[in-house]
Amino acid sequence: AQSVTQLDSHVSVSEGTPVLLRCNYSSSYSPSLFWYVQHPNKGLQLLLKYTSAATLVKGINGFEAEFKKSETSFHLTKPSAHMSDAAEYFCVVSATTDSWGKLQFGAGTQVVVTP
Amino acid sequence: DTGVSQNPRHKITKRGQNVTFRCDPISEHNRLYWYRQTLGQGPEFLTYFQNEAQLEKSRLLSDRFSAERPKGSFSTLEIQRTEQGDSAMYLCASSSGSGQPQHFGDGTRLSIL
Repeated sequence: AQSVTQLDSHVSVSEGTPVLLRCNYSSSYSPSLFWYVQHPNKGLQLLLKYTSAATLVKGINGFEAEFKKSETSFHLTKPSAHMSDAAEYFCVVSATTDSWGKLQFGAGTQVVVTP
Repeated sequence: DTGVSQNPRHKITKRGQNVTFRCDPISEHNRLYWYRQTLGQGPEFLTYFQNEAQLEKSRLLSDRFSAERPKGSFSTLEIQRTEQGDSAMYLCASSSGSGQPQHFGDGTRLSIL
């Protein structure tokens, strides 16, 4: 079985400052990990994915995440927040042994960006 | 636009009525998923199709729910005898294979009066 825990339900940052969203995972097998973003009343957009290649993964809009097996973490970062980054962010896991690719979502982190 | 399309975007209905949602996946994707998202929560898996075959159903999918993908292209999700607890955002996603990311539509928000 696999699961993810997002350690912060809300994060508030000032525009231009770094963003850190924390995620820990649990998986019986080597996981595939994703970060998705959801703007109000919209579907989910893929930011980046980790599938056992490079441990530092670069995504869209300046986001990146680092897979740390020893810490079972997959934290999302961005050096400088933009107002358009205000949204809900989901850390997601899929077992690589699950050929059906079912996704298990975290509870989400709401990001607020202040001017 | 070649993304995942869901219709309607918003459905308001009275308790006890039947509702049907439609999802058109990205054309070359053979996998299609339905998820449900309640307020303040992450999406929860409901069911999965590979082509026209429904290969897995979550225990969340009670017998009032039925999903089809008759020709392996679009899919429908029907809820019979709707209840207050069915109020949620219903999301559809498609992918091209195992380990590939799922691409989501904008969802159908169901409101039960």
